[in-house]
Amino acid sequence: GAVVSQHPSWVICKSGTSVKIECRSLDFQATTMFWYRQFPKQSLMLMATSNEGSKATYEQGVEKDKFLINHASLTLSTLTVTSAHPEDSSFYICSARLRNRDVRAFFGQGTRLTVV
Amino acid sequence: QKEVEQNSGPLSVPEGAIASLNCTYSDRGSQSFFWYRQYSGKSPELIMSIYSNGDKEDGRFTAQLNKASQYVSLLIRDSQPSDSATYLCAVPFSGGYNKLIFGAGTRLAVHP
Repeated sequence: GAVVSQHPSWVICKSGTSVKIECRSLDFQATTMFWYRQFPKQSLMLMATSNEGSKATYEQGVEKDKFLINHASLTLSTLTVTSAHPEDSSFYICSARLRNRDVRAFFGQGTRLTVV
Repeated sequence: QKEVEQNSGPLSVPEGAIASLNCTYSDRGSQSFFWYRQYSGKSPELIMSIYSNGDKEDGRFTAQLNKASQYVSLLIRDSQPSDSATYLCAVPFSGGYNKLIFGAGTRLAVHP
């Protein structure tokens, strides 16, 4: 159990375009999902907490208008990188919890975004 | 500011040796602690969780927790080249959704 699927695994886009990344919990319902970004040789940096049916909570320094998060159902959260620029190129990873009292996080396989 | 500190390494050990990875955290109220393994280009994988002081063993892995010293460690016995990865220590932040705060990670290299 606790399978989290992320799609796509990698994407290349042109500067100025938008990219949507999906994160699905396949065998459980996730009321809370988290989005991380990881630059090469660095650790995971939390971008935002996504809650089903409500607005996401963004970490300090993360532009909410640039990184749009939608958690429309208990099994799906999406991250849209709007007007992407080369500096947005990174490894984006989502994670989900089995239930609110269980603080373990299970990760999707990640999305490698390259903006050219 | 909630912090999780790890030595970035690399930690190099010969095959068959014990690898010892360390982590300190700043939040005295933390109750749960996790070790994740991340291979290059892949997402993190949960390998150990520990909630009480003392040792917890799972196969070749042993997690050790000392809440008084705010210290958690991971021992890998009989290290194998396939253990070569970055090991991330993670602690839930008690204020708000228990979001996980990660250390910078320790890169482990096991050489034959």
